[in-house]
Amino acid sequence: DTGVSQDPRHKITKRGQNVTFRCDPISEHNRLYWYRQTLGQGPEFLTYFQNEAQLEKSRLLSDRFSAERPKGSFSTLEIQRTEQGDSAMYLCASSPGAGGQETQYFGPGTRLLVL
Amino acid sequence: RKEVEQDPGPFNVPEGATVAFNCTYSNSASQSFFWYRQDCRKEPKLLMSVYSSGNEDGRFTAQLNRASQYISLLIRDSKLSDSATYLCVVNKILTGGGNKLTFGTGTQLKVEL
Repeated sequence: DTGVSQDPRHKITKRGQNVTFRCDPISEHNRLYWYRQTLGQGPEFLTYFQNEAQLEKSRLLSDRFSAERPKGSFSTLEIQRTEQGDSAMYLCASSPGAGGQETQYFGPGTRLLVL
Repeated sequence: RKEVEQDPGPFNVPEGATVAFNCTYSNSASQSFFWYRQDCRKEPKLLMSVYSSGNEDGRFTAQLNRASQYISLLIRDSKLSDSATYLCVVNKILTGGGNKLTFGTGTQLKVEL
């Protein structure tokens, strides 16, 4: 399968713990995105990378959240001191990066539950 | 006011029915428009792009009215397999050429025998 992959698929943690999620984009896709989806809502944009550069961050991304894409390939999203309100599905998407308007291909998501 | 508004449904329709979904968006700077489909507990997948001239893909027809900031999706001869949540999406180009997708809450469709 050459689609976007995410790991882990599910994560249960206790409030106050740190968690880290990984996203592997489609090979040779230069752009990588993180979104968050809560129950009954559509996905919300969190941040975007062009290769290793983080070019845009949503105001939704509080200082407890940090994302990296150190070599321009896989990306990690870390949440520090998790809160119950962080419970959501975290979706990663990638696109080729060749043009202005491109289809984003989503991974299966990581479901986070904070107890 | 949400940037993209949709009726959450659910729309319960019999197999073979025609069903229409509507969506409005508030940011006139939005540059492109899509419908995504999301099955329960799965990731969203692109259904189709939406153009002002209207576009059709098999049983699916999408239409954009930029003046009214209104997007529609029509599904003809609905199948059981069409049961899903349909997400209205607007796109804005970001610094560096990336795309910020803004999703509506989605409209849930249930097609019944």
